Amino acid sequence: EVQLVQSGAEVKKPGESLKISCKGSGYSFTSYWIGWVRQMPGKGLEWMGIIYPGDSDTRYSPSFQGQVTISADKSISTAYLQWSSLKASDTAMYYCARRFSSSPGVDYWGQGTLVTVSS
Amino acid sequence: QSALTQPASVSGSPGQSITISCTGTSSDVGGYNYVSWYQQHPGKAPKLMIYEVSNRPSGVSNRFSGSKSGNTASLTISGLQAEDEADYYCSSYTSSSTLGVFGGGTKLTVL
Repeated sequence: EVQLVQSGAEVKKPGESLKISCKGSGYSFTSYWIGWVRQMPGKGLEWMGIIYPGDSDTRYSPSFQGQVTISADKSISTAYLQWSSLKASDTAMYYCARRFSSSPGVDYWGQGTLVTVSS
Repeated sequence: QSALTQPASVSGSPGQSITISCTGTSSDVGGYNYVSWYQQHPGKAPKLMIYEVSNRPSGVSNRFSGSKSGNTASLTISGLQAEDEADYYCSSYTSSSTLGVFGGGTKLTVL
């Protein structure tokens, strides 16, 4: 059974750093693109970026380029999303998502990680 | 990248059919057969309902169907049930971004 299990909710202050994770199981982690999707409170879904764990090829949405870093450790089948300096506007639910092998849609989603940034 | 255009809300009574539209351009919806639909209940992760315009994943009810005409894709739900009340998002491949693009989302209310 394919599963994406994300790390737990975080409460941080502005300016702090953060790294959240997404562990894949039940499939070949290195053979599928993994993406990160932001959902701000009461809003829609936005692609942040994607990574191919097999070779760490990473693509970012222009809106998020330079604002976050996406990485993966294929030895432990885990993808990461990190911030070096959080802002209040980073408060959102973040989902990891596995892309289809042959098309850009998503077939499996993580349960989501709620990040709250508040002073 | 502009989001695909969806109606903000649709509603229907139990047993009825409803259709949610997703309008893009020839650079995304109209140019490729890579439209997906996702259902999201409050406080839950999205769930894939339709992929590649009209394909249903295993386990998804056949009350859900997808289609496309020109630059507009559609999700139709027949025999509406209370459990169908949720937000629905379309997404598409786009020539301007490797990541793809989402629609703004549609809230379905079952009256």
